[in-house]
Formats: sequence, C-alpha cells, structure tokens
Amino acid sequence: AQSVTQPDIHITVSEGASLELRCNYSYGATPYLFWYVQSPGQGLQLLLKYFSGDTLVQGIKGFEAEFKRSQSSFNLRKPSVHWSDAAEYFCAVGWSSASKIIFGSGTRLSIRP
Amino acid sequence: DADVTQTPRNRITKTGKRIMLECSQTKGHDRMYWYRQDPGLGLRLIYYSFDVKDINKGEISDGYSVSRQAQAKFSLSLESAIPNQTALYFCATSGLDQETQYFGPGTRLLVL
Repeated sequence: AQSVTQPDIHITVSEGASLELRCNYSYGATPYLFWYVQSPGQGLQLLLKYFSGDTLVQGIKGFEAEFKRSQSSFNLRKPSVHWSDAAEYFCAVGWSSASKIIFGSGTRLSIRP
Repeated sequence: DADVTQTPRNRITKTGKRIMLECSQTKGHDRMYWYRQDPGLGLRLIYYSFDVKDINKGEISDGYSVSRQAQAKFSLSLESAIPNQTALYFCATSGLDQETQYFGPGTRLLVL
C-alpha cells in the first residue's frame, strides 16, 4: 500500500540554525512530491513540489528539498530558520495522474529563541 | 480575496444533528476535494470530485456525503454527526497542474 512517513513528530531548533525535515514514501513508481506548511489557525500553503527533472527543488521562504530515488526520500531543508518558520509541515506524495495525494502525519517545528 | 473559501470557519453541533460545510473557489479549477485533519494523522481524503458530474469516495467517506452544485461549489454533509467527527476540515482544489492542490482555510467542527 502507498504510504508517506514523517518520522519526526516534533522538532525544536534554535533560530539561525539549519533545519532538515524527513519524508519517506513507499511504492516504487516515480511520485509527485510536495511539501506544505500550516501555520497556526491557517490552511495549508504549498512550499515546493517535485514532478521531474532536477532532484533539488527550490521553494518559497528559503526552503529547498531533494528527491533521492534510491532512498525513497524527499527531505526538506533550510539553512537558517527564522522564528516565523514555526509551523506544522506536511509531506505529500502522489502517484500517476490519479490526482489524489497522500499526506504524511506532519512534523511540528518549534523555534528556540 | 481568498481563492478557496470555506463556511463556516467554526461550528459546534450536537450528536445526531445534520450539518453542511461549504466550499467555494474562484480559481476556475475542475477538481475539488474534502479532507479531515486529526492530530497525529495528517490529512485524510473524504471525497473528491473531478467535475460537476463526478463524485468519488476517498479513504474515509463513511458518515459523510457531498454535493457538487457547480464547478465552483462543493459541499460536505454530515447526515447525523457523531463526536468522533470532531476535526478540522479542509477543502482543496486542483486545475491544469492537476497534482498541485490549493487549500481553503479550514472549518473547525466540534460535535458534542
């Protein structure tokens, strides 16, 4: 069965430190990959997406993610976090053209002053 | 103005009541979706619609029904609400870039 795993439920990093949020998926076919961010009381905002091509994808707010097919991973990174990055982050994966995507359970990011 | 709107934003209801959550979009997208979000579970798909005449069940459709009144409107109904339907509900749309979904602000539902 298709699944998406975000192994870290909650991460705390210091402001200015680097960040990496993990995402792994099952199923072998080349997926469509997304990262969304949900600020408190808000809907989900698309940070970045990967469909094909260069496996390092740049997104909004200084985020990037790298698709590693051999590891079935699509980890989200930011070199220096800001207090405003505190939010919940969701990885999502789609397969073929079904236009359905599966969400991971989310990682809550807290920023230490 | 927001591209995807949801009404109401918050709702408290009692067990057994029928309620409707509404979603409207101005993006001109054909595809619309309803999800529920529960802590620790991420988002789970309830129903989706690829056009006005197309309705499909998602992962957790039991206890829910939907209506696609027009391209821009997609409503979710709970025929007889129960407490475990307490959740945050999101509507989403997708268009020509079919795999990218755009979300509304959510409806927080509490069933007592």
